[in-house]
Amino acid sequence: SQQGEEDPQALSIQEGENATMNCSYKTSINNLQWYRQNSGRGLVHLILIRSNEREKHSGRLRVTLDTSKKSSSLLITASRAADTASYFCATVDNYGQNFVFGPGTRLSVLP
Amino acid sequence: EPEVTQTPSHQVTQMGQEVILRCVPISNHLYFYWYRQILGQKVEFLVSFYNNEISEKSEIFDDQFSVERPDGSNFTLKIRSTKLEDSAMYFCASTRHEPGQGDYSNQPQHFGDGTRLSIL
Repeated sequence: SQQGEEDPQALSIQEGENATMNCSYKTSINNLQWYRQNSGRGLVHLILIRSNEREKHSGRLRVTLDTSKKSSSLLITASRAADTASYFCATVDNYGQNFVFGPGTRLSVLP
Repeated sequence: EPEVTQTPSHQVTQMGQEVILRCVPISNHLYFYWYRQILGQKVEFLVSFYNNEISEKSEIFDDQFSVERPDGSNFTLKIRSTKLEDSAMYFCASTRHEPGQGDYSNQPQHFGDGTRLSIL
């Protein structure tokens, strides 16, 4: 089964605006993680939220998790041009060991 | 901050040839992974490796693939007879495992910058 489907697929905003990306998944999870990927680079871990947590903050990032709806959101506040990247959510799969990444949201922050 | 390093950054190979992609995980990490990302698509899990053996592998990781930890630092992915559809970015990742924490999936993964494999 597929896990970690993000939406929207692409998002374009002006610098200073907030960006919200959503992730849905299908099975029970231990935790959900968000990663960022700059063009041509590897993935960089942003934040991890455990299944018993509802909200978590890290700097300008705010992640929520609703296990009843099997969904998570990533909010980037006061966006900057440097936030331009693809953002992926990752969940642990049914075997409880390995990560399954969604197709990602491509965020463009225009100066 | 320690990094996962991958070499080469770009590999061009003729179809049918063997290719070896190399990774140096973070030194105190114990769990290692290979992922593949076809251009514009999602990151796909290939294989995980712990204690010198494969922990899990996906359907993509068929008999043409193999992994090895030939020494204390390198972690390699070998593709025996490359196909055109093997063209992709290949990412290595590693995870720190803290003793006593049995569920290592609660650890973030640290990724290298990838090797772009182009099969001609």
